[in-house]
Amino acid sequence: QSVLTQPPSLSAAPGQKVTISCSGSTSNIGKNFVSWYQQVPGTAPKRLIYDNDKRPSGIPDRFSGSKSGTSATLGITGLQTGDEADYYCGTWDSSKTVAVFGGGTTLTVL
Amino acid sequence: QVQLQESGPGLVKPSETLSLTCNVSGTSIDSHYWSWIRQAPGKGLEWLGYIYYSGTTNYNPSFKSRLTILVDTSKNQFSLNLRSVTAADTAVYYCARVATVSSLDYWGQGALITVSS
Repeated sequence: QSVLTQPPSLSAAPGQKVTISCSGSTSNIGKNFVSWYQQVPGTAPKRLIYDNDKRPSGIPDRFSGSKSGTSATLGITGLQTGDEADYYCGTWDSSKTVAVFGGGTTLTVL
Repeated sequence: QVQLQESGPGLVKPSETLSLTCNVSGTSIDSHYWSWIRQAPGKGLEWLGYIYYSGTTNYNPSFKSRLTILVDTSKNQFSLNLRSVTAADTAVYYCARVATVSSLDYWGQGALITVSS
C-alpha cells in the first residue's frame, strides 16, 4: 500500500488532455514539494516535474504540475502515443522521514 | 552530462548480502546527496535511503536493520549492502542523484537483482 494514492490507470485519445491525481496527507504533500516521474516500461524513471510545478530543461510545456493542500496533479495536453508510460508522484514524508511515492498510474493513449 | 551506472551480481542467494555499486560520472559526488530506490517486478517505486559525501546517511526505517549505504569519494561512487535477503528483495535497483529531498533528477538505468537459490 503506497503512502500516496494515484489512480491505477487512465486512458485518453491522441491530442486530448489528461490529469493524474496524487493524494497524500499533511505530513507529506501538505508540507513538501512534489515531483512527477515518467517511466516507459523497461526503462528508468525520468523526472518530469519538480517543486510542484517546475519543468526541467527539455521537458515540453505539454506537461504541467500543480498542488493544492494535500493533493497534487499532473496534467498532460496534446497527448501523443509516446506519452504511454507509468507516471509516479513523489515527495518527502516529514513524519516518517522517508521519501514516498504513489503507486503509479499507467497511461494508455488509444 | 551527469550519468549514473549501477553494477552488481544479478543473482544473490537467500540469506546472503546484496551488494551494488553506483558509478557517478559528469559531476563530483561531493556536490549532492545520492539515493537508492528499488522496484519489485510489476510494482511501484520504493525508496531505500540516501547518503552525502561526508558519509551522513538516512535510511528507510523498513530497511534500517539490514541496509548500509557507503560512499567512496576517491572513486566517485557509492554503494549499497542489503543483508539477509529473501525472494521479496528481488527487484530492479536504481541509484539516483538527490536534487532535493522531494526530487531525484538523475537516475541510473537500473540493475535487476534476483534472489534465488
